[in-house]
Amino acid sequence: EVQLVESGGGLVQPGGSLRLSCAASGFTFSSDWMSWVRQAPGKGLEWVANIRQDGSEKYYVDSVKGRFTVSRDNANNSLYLQMTSLRAEDTAVYYCARLKVAGYPYCYFDLWGRGTLVTVSS
Amino acid sequence: QSVLTQPPSVSGAPGQRVTISCTGSSSNIGADYDVHWYQQLPGTAPKLLIYGNTYRPSGVPDRFSGSKSGTSASLAITGLQAEDEADYYCQSYDSSLSVLFGGGTKLTVL
Repeated sequence: EVQLVESGGGLVQPGGSLRLSCAASGFTFSSDWMSWVRQAPGKGLEWVANIRQDGSEKYYVDSVKGRFTVSRDNANNSLYLQMTSLRAEDTAVYYCARLKVAGYPYCYFDLWGRGTLVTVSS
Repeated sequence: QSVLTQPPSVSGAPGQRVTISCTGSSSNIGADYDVHWYQQLPGTAPKLLIYGNTYRPSGVPDRFSGSKSGTSASLAITGLQAEDEADYYCQSYDSSLSVLFGGGTKLTVL
């Protein structure tokens, strides 16, 4: 079965760190760009980060630049999001998504995980 | 305030046709970047509905269609069904190097 499964969410204090993971299965993970997209409670979708197949290109939304780092381990079919200096406004469900690219940046998200909730609060 | 503007809500009776607009600018939709659409049923992850402005992934009913013109795009749903009640999001790219989502539209089936 083709799927993405996120893990690592939880409650963290402001200024803290958290590492999210995404396990991919059912497709050739190393052949695809991957992404993180988040959704604050009751709000819309917000793109967070993209990473190329070999990790050589990474792109971030301005609000997380310098604080979040996307990475991947193709040998273990895994995507990661290292989050530091967390703020209350980072509270959201974080989705792992496969990014279909027809020549970057012509891209869309064709496969989504169920998400993992990150809550930043004291 | 999203760069891609969608109406907060639309509604229609079963069997009717509804459209959802997505308005951008010359730095995103108007710059010839494609528009894609997602459906998010209550309590679930988003699902790709339309890609490349007009294409439907396998398994998406042909009641759903997309179009694009100038700096705007639209999603049309014909033969409205109760199961279509969901949030709908458009997505594109901006010359500022950002992937963009619209603010989302809640569809209510009356």
